[in-house]
Amino acid sequence: GENVEQHPSTLSVQEGDSAVIKCTYSDSASNYFPWYKQELGKRPQLIIDIRSNVGEKKDQRIAVTLNKTAKHFSLHITETQPEDSAVYFCAAQPGNQFYFGTGTSLTVIP
Amino acid sequence: EAGVAQSPRYKIIEKRQSVAFWCNPISGHATLYWYQQILGQGPKLLIQFQNNGVVDDSQLPKDRFSAERLKGVDSTLKIQPAKLEDSAVYLCASSGGSYNEQFFGPGTRLTVL
Repeated sequence: GENVEQHPSTLSVQEGDSAVIKCTYSDSASNYFPWYKQELGKRPQLIIDIRSNVGEKKDQRIAVTLNKTAKHFSLHITETQPEDSAVYFCAAQPGNQFYFGTGTSLTVIP
Repeated sequence: EAGVAQSPRYKIIEKRQSVAFWCNPISGHATLYWYQQILGQGPKLLIQFQNNGVVDDSQLPKDRFSAERLKGVDSTLKIQPAKLEDSAVYLCASSGGSYNEQFFGPGTRLTVL
């Protein structure tokens, strides 16, 4: 099955700086890569996703890049704000099933 | 659109007791997932339904866990008997929109004492 690795497990940045979270996957059949934000005690919320037919997607301060050849994709958050503090999960989908990374705990220091 | 609904939100039971969780997916979503999320970890798939059929239950501990999806809509997940290591948040999710995005319910936090 698919194996998704996520790094780093924890990340602290100063408010206003950028944050980058990286994921790798193993199954070349994966063609959909969502990112979820999970605040403490709340459900994972889809924040951005990318499909294998594009290399980059941006939504305001959040962007995702995909390198199919290297089988890795990254989440970029610019101009970080304290409310960006949360756990972020990447996922890969080959077929119908979603495989999740282990999560990155992001802390934005005011 | 209404989101994925789950109940109860919290449950505390003694080990060896039984417990059941309920999920109502987003209307029209054919695929329903049950995940177990242990504190500090990512969601782990327990079972996946496509309409009322099981697509994948390879990680479901079938000696104690069972799940069904009645008429391809609502679903229940049962644990019988519960163990201490079952303490976790049980998340239900559904997908099936135009782009197949997956949406999560609020989860049920289970504590087994």
